[in-house]
Order: sequence, then C-alpha cells, then structure tokens
Amino acid sequence: DIQLTQSPSFLSASVGDRVTITCRASQGISSYLAWYQQKPGKAPQLLIYEASRLQSGVPSRFSGSGSGTEFTLTISSLQPEDFATYYCHQLSGYLFTFGGGTQVEIK
Amino acid sequence: EVQLVDSGGDLVQPGRSLRLSCVASGFDFDDYAMHWVRQVPGKGLEWVSGIRWNGDDTGYADSVKGRFTISRDNAKNSLYLQMNSLRPEDTALYYCAKDINPLLGYSYAFDYWGQGTLVTVSS
Repeated sequence: DIQLTQSPSFLSASVGDRVTITCRASQGISSYLAWYQQKPGKAPQLLIYEASRLQSGVPSRFSGSGSGTEFTLTISSLQPEDFATYYCHQLSGYLFTFGGGTQVEIK
Repeated sequence: EVQLVDSGGDLVQPGRSLRLSCVASGFDFDDYAMHWVRQVPGKGLEWVSGIRWNGDDTGYADSVKGRFTISRDNAKNSLYLQMNSLRPEDTALYYCAKDINPLLGYSYAFDYWGQGTLVTVSS
C-alpha cells in the first residue's frame, strides 16, 4: 500500500500568516492527490484535486503543488475560518489512503 | 444541490452484522463511482471501499476485505455497505463519498461527502 506522511501534524499560526503543509508519498503517485479541510463535527471538504487544481468555490488563497512523491498545500494568508484539520489523499491505483492530518490552530 | 444522506449506523455486538445506506440526490448518481470512508472520532480518515458507476468493479481496504460488501442500486440512487463479522476496531463514523470519476481507481478526488453515520461495536 502507498503510505502518505504529512508534516507537520500540528501547527500554530496567526491570521495573515502564510502556511505550508507537506505530504510525502511512499512511492510515485503522479498527480493523483487531493487535499481536504475538515472542521470539528463536519465532513471533509475538497479543496484541491489532481495535486494543483482548485475545487470550485474554494478561495484562491489555497493552492497545491507537486507531483510524484512530494506535494504541498499552501494557504497564502490564513483567515479565521481556515483553522481546521487538513488531510492529503492519494488516489493512485485501487487502494486509496489518507495522510495522518495536520491540525492548524490559532497562535 | 448535491446531497448524500448516510444512515444505518447503530450500536452492535462483536460478530454481528449491520447495513449502511447512502441516498444521493442533485447529480446523476449512475455516472460516478462511490466510496465509503470511515473515521474513528478524533482520529484520521480511512478509505473502506469503493464501487464503479455500474457496480461491476469494487475495491476494499485490507482491514475489511472478506467481511464488508459494497453495492449500489442506481434506480434508487443508493449506495450500501453490508458489514459482517463486526469487530470493536470497526467502531467509527462512516461517510459515503462521491468520486469525481465514473471508474474505480486512478481518480483525482472525492468531491462530495455525506454527514456520516456512527457505528459502535461493543458488547
């Protein structure tokens, strides 16, 4: 199975900060990677698909990059509503896996 | 508006069975693959199972293979998960999720999720 390692697992940041989350795959997955945001008590919401494509309705401060084994999610200017947990998700092949999550909290 | 409504979660004893359902609306259900994803409260996400748009191809996580069966009824816009031989480690919130693509495998994302239904396996 393809493993995804997200880092950091926790980060504390202030409103207006630029935030970067990294996701590393145990083997190459081309661009079969998505990013989700999850708030407490809610289902995950899709932010980025195909590694870098912004889902409709998602603010442009969110961006994704990478291919192969290393990927990043960047929030250019953190807003109060962005404090949540973020997951990467690989969809290469038939056994899909998620990263362990990155919890973003207010400093 | 796309909606996925999960149901069927309950408290069950180890070794028993349970069937989850997900009713979809707001999109052409028979055009897309569908999946089940679970989450232990306070923990991360785990993909459980997926099914092709026409039901002809299915996939399972190793942790549930041989015990769980995914199916769909496109006439009823419904997705199901039959869970047999349940174990305490199956305790989780189960979400149904819509795939961006019709086929199973090599996809790009799950673009809509249900609200989840809680399964608790305990004696």
